[in-house]
Amino acid sequence: KAGVTQTPRYLIKTRGQQVTLSCSPISGHRSVSWYQQTPGQGLQFLFEYFSETQRNKGNFPGRFSGRQFSNSRSEMNVSTLELGDSALYLCASSSGQRLGEYFGPGTRLTVT
Amino acid sequence: GEDVEQSLFLSVREGDSSVINCTYTDSSSTYLYWYKQEPGAGLQLLTYIFSNMDMKQDQRLTVLLNKKDKHLSLRIADTQTGDSAIYFCAESISGANNLFFGTGTRLTVIP
Repeated sequence: KAGVTQTPRYLIKTRGQQVTLSCSPISGHRSVSWYQQTPGQGLQFLFEYFSETQRNKGNFPGRFSGRQFSNSRSEMNVSTLELGDSALYLCASSSGQRLGEYFGPGTRLTVT
Repeated sequence: GEDVEQSLFLSVREGDSSVINCTYTDSSSTYLYWYKQEPGAGLQLLTYIFSNMDMKQDQRLTVLLNKKDKHLSLRIADTQTGDSAIYFCAESISGANNLFFGTGTRLTVIP
């Protein structure tokens, strides 16, 4: 079974731009979660999607948004990038009640 | 509350046992997890324990859960240099579709 894939792996953007990150879950998994990892704040939950519906959202500003497609692939978008958005963005997929069973390698976003 | 706390660093000698500790505050935890993160990589799920269990063993890994004290530990037997990484504990809470992570413990194994 292929693992969780995230594209791109690395990204450099400038302040004010927007960015879209993609996550393909393990085949058959309908739940996709997104997390932001920074040295200062650690791992923080962004949002979780299940069958194209956002079931939960973390405490991030509205500049952070996401969606999930009918094939369970998910995208997250960050608009009006700020320097503090530089982070490793991780996505995880699950099939059932145990969340975050499989994490992707992450997308490292650098905002300059 | 969703505070999950871990000590930041742990050093052990190769071949010794490592014990990584974690405390959490929410008594409605359903599952508790241990993840490993190597440099430049994502999170690898090592093991998990359901909140109604006290112990789980999986090869070199032993998880102990003390619900009364809200304390979770991960013991790695015969620690190897390849075990050097950051270890995160996390909890999922009934009704919340997300994980709350600890700060991570950096384990250094000395040859």
